Amino acid sequence: DVKVTQSSRYLVKRTGEKVFLECVQDMDHENMFWYRQDPGLGLRLIYFSYDVKMKEKGDIPEGYSVSREKKERFSLILESASTNQTSMYLCASTSTGNIQYFGAGTRLSVL
Amino acid sequence: ILNVEQSPQSLHVQEGDSTNFTCSFPSSNFYALHWYRWETAKSPEALFVMTLNGDEKKKGRISATLNTKEGYSYLYIKGSQPEDSATYLCAPGESNYQLIWGAGTKLIIKP
Repeated sequence: DVKVTQSSRYLVKRTGEKVFLECVQDMDHENMFWYRQDPGLGLRLIYFSYDVKMKEKGDIPEGYSVSREKKERFSLILESASTNQTSMYLCASTSTGNIQYFGAGTRLSVL
Repeated sequence: ILNVEQSPQSLHVQEGDSTNFTCSFPSSNFYALHWYRWETAKSPEALFVMTLNGDEKKKGRISATLNTKEGYSYLYIKGSQPEDSATYLCAPGESNYQLIWGAGTKLIIKP
């Protein structure tokens, strides 16, 4: 059974804190994605990675960075969290670029 | 592809009834369209990936059609059951890596 695991379901942080969201997949997929989902909007792509140490900006990369040191792990970093980064964050992975497999999401609140 | 619209935003359907909803998108630069089901507190799960104009796909009681020339896809659910309650997301894209996600149709099945 395929699995994408996000490290936290819920997270509460303070403005200015550095925040790490971790995502691990066990399917040996080359491609991994970070999205955010806000009420009334579709998923928006923050960053994606098509290989170890490779990354591409998505539609809304500002205020975020990513790290992919190992194939199975893709980390999203909020360098200095702000209240407008309060959101649901979803990680996904895919091999051929076909079906995306998602984690359960991390609901981040920045106070 | 810039703008994806899903309608209706939400839908209440009596158990046993059939229903359908729409995903509209600009037809230029189309490569593929994905449909996902997202149940509360779970991960989004892929239903279909469609690429060809006129494609029809089926999975149990759920089916989908695609018209790339006019820029729409329909999702049909036959004989709705409580477990069909979820938000249904469509995501067309110019590639499988860069999908543009609709805001979803929230389906609620009334027993």
